[in-house]
Parts: sequence; structure tokens; C-alpha cells
Amino acid sequence: AQSVAQPEDQVNVAEGNPLTVKCTYSVSGNPYLFWYVQYPNRGLQFLLKYITGDNLVKGSYGFEAEFNKSQTSFHLKKPSALVSDSALYFCAVRALGMEYGNKLVFGAGTILRVKS
Amino acid sequence: DVKVTQSSRYLVKRTGEKVFLECVQDMDHENMFWYRQDPGLGLRLIYFSYDVKMKEKGDIPEGYSVSREKKERFSLILESASTNQTSMYLCASTPDRVIYGYTFGSGTRLTVV
Repeated sequence: AQSVAQPEDQVNVAEGNPLTVKCTYSVSGNPYLFWYVQYPNRGLQFLLKYITGDNLVKGSYGFEAEFNKSQTSFHLKKPSALVSDSALYFCAVRALGMEYGNKLVFGAGTILRVKS
Repeated sequence: DVKVTQSSRYLVKRTGEKVFLECVQDMDHENMFWYRQDPGLGLRLIYFSYDVKMKEKGDIPEGYSVSREKKERFSLILESASTNQTSMYLCASTPDRVIYGYTFGSGTRLTVV
């Protein structure tokens, strides 16, 4: 079965410092991996995805993520955090294969707090 | 700009009421989904639909039903609202090709009193 783990409920970082939000996954076959961000009382917004190719994926708002197949991880990173990055972040995985349909499986989410 | 529109941002309903949550997408997507979001639990799939008049149960379908009479519209129905259905409800859609992620609506925060 597909699953996603986000081991940290909350990540705190000072403005200007690099940030990392962790994600590990479990899936049979090749994964499609996604990061979404949610601001208070809003829906989820797409940040970036890994489908195939370069393991380092660049996305919106200066975020990037590194796919590591051996560690089954897809950590979200940003070189210099902004206060406006404070939000709830979700990692999601979709497995390749007709038996999985088009469903994404989401992690529980990680709250990112950036302090000035 | 393509979008998924949920008809209400905030709803307050009474216990036992029948509640309809509406979702419309303008992207001609085949697949539509209803999730509920609760603190610490992430997103949990309630129902989804791959095509018109087609529906499948997700992980937590109890107490809910859905309707998809037209491709662009996917309705979530709470047959008899209960206080434990107080939650944020998120609708999403995606085309058939698996390389695409979901496009989400802004969410409906439902309070059942």
C-alpha cells in the first residue's frame, strides 16, 4: 500500500536561514511525488513534483526538493526562508500502475514557522 | 485561470440536517475527489469519481454520499449531519494522466452544532 510520512509536526526556522521539511514514502514501483502548501483557511496549492529525470526538482516560490530513491525520501528545501513561507506543507505520492488509479496519498502535514 | 470552485467557504448546520457541499471545476477533468482535513490527521479521502455517474468509496465514506450528474460538478452529501463531521472539506480534480497532481478548491469549513 502507498503511504507517506512527514516525521515532523512542526519546523521552526529563522528568516534567512535554510529550511528543510522532511518526507519519506512507501510505494510499490516508481513513485510520482508532490509537495503542496496550505495557507490558513485556504485550499492546497501545488508547489512542485517529481515524475522522472533530475533528482533535484525546482518549484514555486524558490522551493526545491530532492528525490532520493535509496532512502525513499523527497525532502522539501529552500536556501533562505521568508516569514511569508509560514504555512502547512503536505507531501503526497502517487504510484504508477492501473491498480492505484489516480489517487494521491497525503502525509499528515508539517507546520512551518519562520520567525523574523 | 483554471479553477475548482467550492460553493461555500463557511457553513454552519444543525445536527440531523441534510447538507450539500458543491464543487465545480472548469478544466474538463475526469477525476474528482472529496477530502476532509482535520488537525493532525492530514487529508482523508471520503469519495472520488472517475467519470460521470461513477463513484467510489475512499477511506472514510461512512455518513457521506456523493453525486456526479455532470462532468464538471461533484457534490458531497451529509445525509444527517453530526457534530463529528465538523471539519474542513476540500474538493480536488485531476485529469486522467497520472503525471498531473490535483487542483484544489479553497475549501469549505463546516461546523455542525
